[in-house]
Amino acid sequence: DQQVKQNSPSLSVQEGRISILNCDYTNSMFDYFLWYKKYPAEGPTFLISISSIKDKNEDGRFTVFLNKSAKHLSLHIVPSQPGDSAVYFCAASDSRDDKIIFGKGTRLHILP
Amino acid sequence: GAGVSQSPSNKVTEKGKDVELRCDPISGHTALYWYRQSLGQGLEFLIYFQGNSAPDKSGLPSDRFSAERTGGSVSTLTIQRTQQEDSAVYLCASSRAGVPTEAFFGQGTRLTVV
Repeated sequence: DQQVKQNSPSLSVQEGRISILNCDYTNSMFDYFLWYKKYPAEGPTFLISISSIKDKNEDGRFTVFLNKSAKHLSLHIVPSQPGDSAVYFCAASDSRDDKIIFGKGTRLHILP
Repeated sequence: GAGVSQSPSNKVTEKGKDVELRCDPISGHTALYWYRQSLGQGLEFLIYFQGNSAPDKSGLPSDRFSAERTGGSVSTLTIQRTQQEDSAVYLCASSRAGVPTEAFFGQGTRLTVV
């Protein structure tokens, strides 16, 4: 049973435009959400997070939106840059045990 | 060290052999996670250690897989009688206790079973 779902395996976006990566979760006990970025042959690196008490968190070009009623979050990257091409993992955590559950990832291609 | 260290970085083993993968977490991080990423797949949770609590082993795919964490620091993931489907990148991460927090990952160990 997949608790964190990223239904788009890949996404292509023109350089300079907005990239929107989506994520859905099923466990209503999740109260902390994270996005990680992974380049080939490297471990994932933390990008941005949001607590369930917020509905938006912004850090430079990256903004994460959380819709608790829909159990949905999204990562917006604007403007998209070539270095943003990577696999993006959505993750969720339950503060009762801190275990982090990841989605399958979305491969983002930024087109020149 | 400054980050999570995993060894070896690459391991090729024959089917049926046992392998041990090592993870050195960031000093002071009480939580340690093992994940694996098979070709074209996402990050599959394997096992989670948090302080002195009993580990959450709910993600281990079979009884051929085991992990231990000695002294609350270094962890070893052992795969017995390896099979070809065990071929994957095995990733270790560590984090501070409590929320909000994020996990820091090592570079991973690429395991190939031939």
